[in-house]
Amino acid sequence: EIVLTQSPATLSLSPGERATLSCRASQSVNSYLAWYQQKPGQAPRLLIYDAFNRATGIPARFSGSGSGTDFTLTITSLEPEDFAVYYCQQRSNWPHTFGGGTKVEIK
Amino acid sequence: EVQLVQSGAEVKKPGESLKISCKGSGYSFTSYWIGWVRQMPGKGLEWMGIIYPGGSETRYSPSFQGQVTISADKSITTAYLQWSSLKASDTAMYYCARQGSSGFFDFWGRGALVTVSS
Repeated sequence: EIVLTQSPATLSLSPGERATLSCRASQSVNSYLAWYQQKPGQAPRLLIYDAFNRATGIPARFSGSGSGTDFTLTITSLEPEDFAVYYCQQRSNWPHTFGGGTKVEIK
Repeated sequence: EVQLVQSGAEVKKPGESLKISCKGSGYSFTSYWIGWVRQMPGKGLEWMGIIYPGGSETRYSPSFQGQVTISADKSITTAYLQWSSLKASDTAMYYCARQGSSGFFDFWGRGALVTVSS
């Protein structure tokens, strides 16, 4: 089973700042990695798939990069609605595991 | 419009059985995998397993293999997650989600809260 390790666990930033979230895989997942956003009381929402493709309706301030074992989600300028928990997921091997999440909170 | 409508919250006792449902609409139900994701209170997302309603192929996470059963009835475009004997540790929110053409979960249900308590 592929283990995804997200860091940091919590990121404290102010609106307008840049957020950089990391996801590291225990073995190569090629580019088969996605990022989700989850707000309290809501289901997760797909943001990025296959490392860098934005899902339908996702603003351009969200971008993904990386391949192999190291991936990054960048939010260029945080909007108030971006404060949430972010998860990565791989689909390279069954089971399609999730990372433990990074909470982006208001500083 | 793609929708996944999940059954409601459940309160059960340890040892009881349970089957929760996820009804898909607005797309070809037999053409997409449907997965189940657990979220324990205050915790992260856990991939449980997935089914292809078109052929009933099923994959489970080793962590959940033998603990739950995933099934689907394509005649009523509904997927299921069931337990034969619940434990207190099964208390969680359970989401169903469609695995889209990207290979990731592009549409999600609202979740079903399962509480297991004596």
